[in-house]
Amino acid sequence: DTEVTQTPKHLVMGMTNKKSLKCEQHMGHRAMYWYKQKAKKPPELMFVYSYEKLSINESVPSRFSPECPNSSLLNLHLHALQPEDSALYLCASSQDPSSSYNSPLHFGNGTRLTVT
Amino acid sequence: AQKVTQAQTEISVVEKEDVTLDCVYETRDTTYYLFWYKQPPSGELVFLIRRNSFDEQNEISGRYSWNFQKSTSSFNFTITASQVVDSAVYFCALSEAEGGATNKLIFGTGTLLAVQP
Repeated sequence: DTEVTQTPKHLVMGMTNKKSLKCEQHMGHRAMYWYKQKAKKPPELMFVYSYEKLSINESVPSRFSPECPNSSLLNLHLHALQPEDSALYLCASSQDPSSSYNSPLHFGNGTRLTVT
Repeated sequence: AQKVTQAQTEISVVEKEDVTLDCVYETRDTTYYLFWYKQPPSGELVFLIRRNSFDEQNEISGRYSWNFQKSTSSFNFTITASQVVDSAVYFCALSEAEGGATNKLIFGTGTLLAVQP
């Protein structure tokens, strides 16, 4: 079982909907990540939070809005998405942001998002 | 520029065969880490191994082994006596210390391994 839990597993939403993806970890990790993965492609980094503060935004469109309410939770708020945003959204965490370049990422199972 | 190349897009083997997945990387940093992740059809990426740039010892873990050669910038992964459960996409990834503390993994394009019974 993965130690990073993502909900929901599947999500279908219309282009005018507002929805949120949730991610939770209880490993005491202080860095959390959102990745987007299209079919047959590697994951692409979207956002990184270090100690609950946004440290990296990889030029992600504003229709994706991340939030880190506390050290265990990470949300991704979705609004006015496009069909091309359909993908697998993966959450990950790693131990210590101050040396996280050498820390393995622990990934969740992902949310498979379909935008209609 | 940093780059990870996995030239094998898909590999198909029959159970019990050995298979090697290739990974070649490019970096200007002297300190970096290399990783392998497995992504089964269920979707989650599973961490398999981490190797730092100063440790060229090969590693064996059960049926898995890794061959790190700095001279050829390669970090290849061999599965011995493959099993159907090994069927997955395998990603090689690079992380550099000089990019700052935050972990920005550079993934290869992945190799889809299909193990037939």
